[in-house]
Amino acid sequence: DIVMTQSPDSLAVSLGERATINCKSSQSVLYSSNNENYLAWYQQKPGQPPKLLIYWASTRESGVPDRFSGSGSGTDFTLTISSLQAEDVAVYYCQQYYGTLRTFGQGTKLEIK
Amino acid sequence: EVQLVESGGGLVQPGGSLRLSCAASGFTFSDHYMDWVRQAPGKGLEWVGRSRTKANSYTTEYAASVKGRFTISRDDSMSTLFLQMDSLKTEDTAVYYCVRELNYFDYWGQGTLVTVSS
Repeated sequence: DIVMTQSPDSLAVSLGERATINCKSSQSVLYSSNNENYLAWYQQKPGQPPKLLIYWASTRESGVPDRFSGSGSGTDFTLTISSLQAEDVAVYYCQQYYGTLRTFGQGTKLEIK
Repeated sequence: EVQLVESGGGLVQPGGSLRLSCAASGFTFSDHYMDWVRQAPGKGLEWVGRSRTKANSYTTEYAASVKGRFTISRDDSMSTLFLQMDSLKTEDTAVYYCVRELNYFDYWGQGTLVTVSS
């Protein structure tokens, strides 16, 4: 199975500041035939199911604010929130869909400093 | 509007069985792979397994932690996904989410809580 490791486990950022969450996969999730990275990001707020934010490593889901962006390729990926808003407090997960068996990172808890 | 509504959760003793259902609406259910993802209390997300479409022979895949104990099936005529859970263990205690798969997971249900305890 592909192991996904996120860093940090938790993060406190001031309102209006940038938040950066990293995700590393144990093997490349870049599919050479289409040059796509099979990597998604989700946001989960307390008491709610996860919500898709980013797929193909950098494509924003419809309706997701443009302060959220994804980058990276191969084994190293980043989710960036350019200007943190109060409603962004949540746990964020990366997930690979390259392997037949899907796997998630352990999650990163984002709080307001 | 896409909706996924899980049901069937509850309290069950270790070694027991439970069957979860997920009623889908707002899209052509038969065209989509469907998955189950679970989340133990206070923990992260764990993929449980997948049901492919009729065009892919309704084949299934499972995480190692549930393989041989859990069975995913579907009824396309009723737009419903099922998760049959047998030989349940205390570590299967979790909220179980029904999820639509487009490689990534674009729609999630609200989840149903399964508690395995004596």
